[in-house]
This record gives sequence, structure tokens and C-alpha cells, in this order.
Amino acid sequence: DSGVTQTPKHLITATGQRVTLRCSPRSGDLSVYWYQQSLDQGLQFLIQYYNGEERAKGNILERFSAQQFPDLHSELNLSSLELGDSALYFCASSDPMTIYFGEGSWLTVV
Amino acid sequence: AQSVTQLDSQVPVFEEAPVELRCNYSSSVSVYLFWYVQYPNQGLQLLLKYLSGSTLVKGINGFEAEFNKSQTSFHLRKPSVHISDTAEYFCAVSSFNTGNQFYFGTGTSLTVIP
Repeated sequence: DSGVTQTPKHLITATGQRVTLRCSPRSGDLSVYWYQQSLDQGLQFLIQYYNGEERAKGNILERFSAQQFPDLHSELNLSSLELGDSALYFCASSDPMTIYFGEGSWLTVV
Repeated sequence: AQSVTQLDSQVPVFEEAPVELRCNYSSSVSVYLFWYVQYPNQGLQLLLKYLSGSTLVKGINGFEAEFNKSQTSFHLRKPSVHISDTAEYFCAVSSFNTGNQFYFGTGTSLTVIP
């Protein structure tokens, strides 16, 4: 158990809908990251937050947004969903030297 | 930005044989290096890490890796693999001055053949 908690574990939704994925980092970790993993794209970095502020942005679509709250938990919002958004979404948190991953949220868009 | 190259996308190996998964990184500064393992339908689990000190790092499940600064490599090895080692393996790099950013390779799929 890495200490990073993600909900929900599985989610099935229709095209055009909006979903929110939630993440609680390890106790004491200030950095939170979101990754997308699909069969054809591999592990893709989406976005990083540090203590509530956006620190780095990767291949995140404009339809996706994220935020980190004062209690350090984070949410990833995915809107206008398309079939191609079906993937495993990971949240991770880090101390200054090591990153730890949650178990992921499986999103299926039908 | 830093980058990580995992030279083999797929590595098949027979059970009880040795294996080496290769990883090279690009950086001119002091780095932290990591290997993660992802079993089917699971998250990425830390296998081992190099932060400083001895260049030979031992991890879980009998794996080890050697940091080679001159060759900018961090290859993962195991002397005798088991069926249960079948998984995806990711190499990653970070450093003190990257603002907690971690750069991952594209992964190596290890398949252990009975």
C-alpha cells in the first residue's frame, strides 16, 4: 500500500459526460501528480500540483482540468468525454525525492 | 528537460534465467533514479531507487540495479526470474533542481516463459 488513495476504482460513463476523479496523497506529501495510461499511449504525465498551486503541465487536454485543495487532496475533472478518453488514470504524490502511485481509476467511456 | 530511454519494449525470458532491463537517462546534473513495477491491473510499485551512495542498489523481489554515471545508465537485473515477475517495468529519473518532476521511460514488458 503506497498510501495514495484514489476513488472511484472503476467508472463507466457515456460520451459527452463529465466525471471527477479524486485523490488523497500520502500524509505529508505536498506534490500531487496525475497520469493517464492507455494501451496505445503508454504512461502520459498530465499535470502536477505543489501545495495547491500548479507546478507543471504535461499532455493534458483542454477538456480536462485539475485542482489541489487546501487539505492537499486533488481532483481531476474530465468533461465532454470521448471514447478515446477510456484509460487508467493514476494519481501520485511525492516527497522531495520519491514518487508514489495510487492504484488508479479505470475509466470506460461507452 | 530530462529524458529516459528504455531500450527494450519487450523482453521474453525463460523461468530461472537471468534478466537485464536496460535504462539510459540524459542529464548532466546529479540525479535520482528509480525502477517501478506494474503488475497487470495494478498501480506502479516502487521496486528500488538510487539517491546517493553505493552505486549498486538492491530492491524488492531479488532485483538490483547499478548506477553508472559515465554511461548514464541504470540497468535492472535479476539473476533468476520467476513466473510472478511477469509485469511492466518503468525506469524514472528526477533531480534536486527539477521541482519534484519525475521523467518516466516508455516501459519494458517482461514476460517469463515457463
